Amino acid sequence: GENVEQHPSTLSVQEGDSAVIKCTYSDSASNYFPWYKQELGKRPQLIIDIRSNVGEKKDQRIAVTLNKTAKHFSLHITETQPEDSAVYFCAASGTYKYIFGTGTRLKVLA
Amino acid sequence: DAGITQSPRHKVTETGTPVTLRCHQTENHRYMYWYRQDPGHGLRLIHYSYGVKDTDKGEVSDGYSVSRSKTEDFLLTLESATSSQTSVYFCAISVGLGQDYEQYFGPGTRLTVT
Repeated sequence: GENVEQHPSTLSVQEGDSAVIKCTYSDSASNYFPWYKQELGKRPQLIIDIRSNVGEKKDQRIAVTLNKTAKHFSLHITETQPEDSAVYFCAASGTYKYIFGTGTRLKVLA
Repeated sequence: DAGITQSPRHKVTETGTPVTLRCHQTENHRYMYWYRQDPGHGLRLIHYSYGVKDTDKGEVSDGYSVSRSKTEDFLLTLESATSSQTSVYFCAISVGLGQDYEQYFGPGTRLTVT
């Protein structure tokens, strides 16, 4: 069936360094790729997304890249700060149905 | 918060009892979803709805049923709760039209089945 693989499952970086989280999807019909940030005990929050007609999108310190041929997309966080510590989820969507990755726990060490 | 509320926010119930969780939205969006979140599994789709009385199964629908009699409410029912259904349940809505849509989550319901 359709699935989304996400790596790594945990990631520790020093404050100020960059973090990269990668996802691979299986459904060729997927055309929308959102990223969510979830803090402990809170709901997932949409932080950035990309659609299949775009290869890269940036919003301040976060960026997402998409390679449709390889079915890969990635989240890049630059100049990490302690408040970036959270669990991040990628997802792939075709027609209003979403498949999520299993999450990456990011720890930013001060 | 995209106008989504969930009730109850916390519930403890015994094995074999029926449980209904409610998701309410204030903005008449067509698509609504129920997910469960468990450690190591991320968010898994249980059921979703694309309109009043229009629902479909997700990847982990066994043991769950849903109903949507009004646009604003999407109910998730565990007919006979089991310990494996202990989880955090999130409702979500899709906002937007055509190819330009985004998904937003409710605050979640923590369900413990003893």
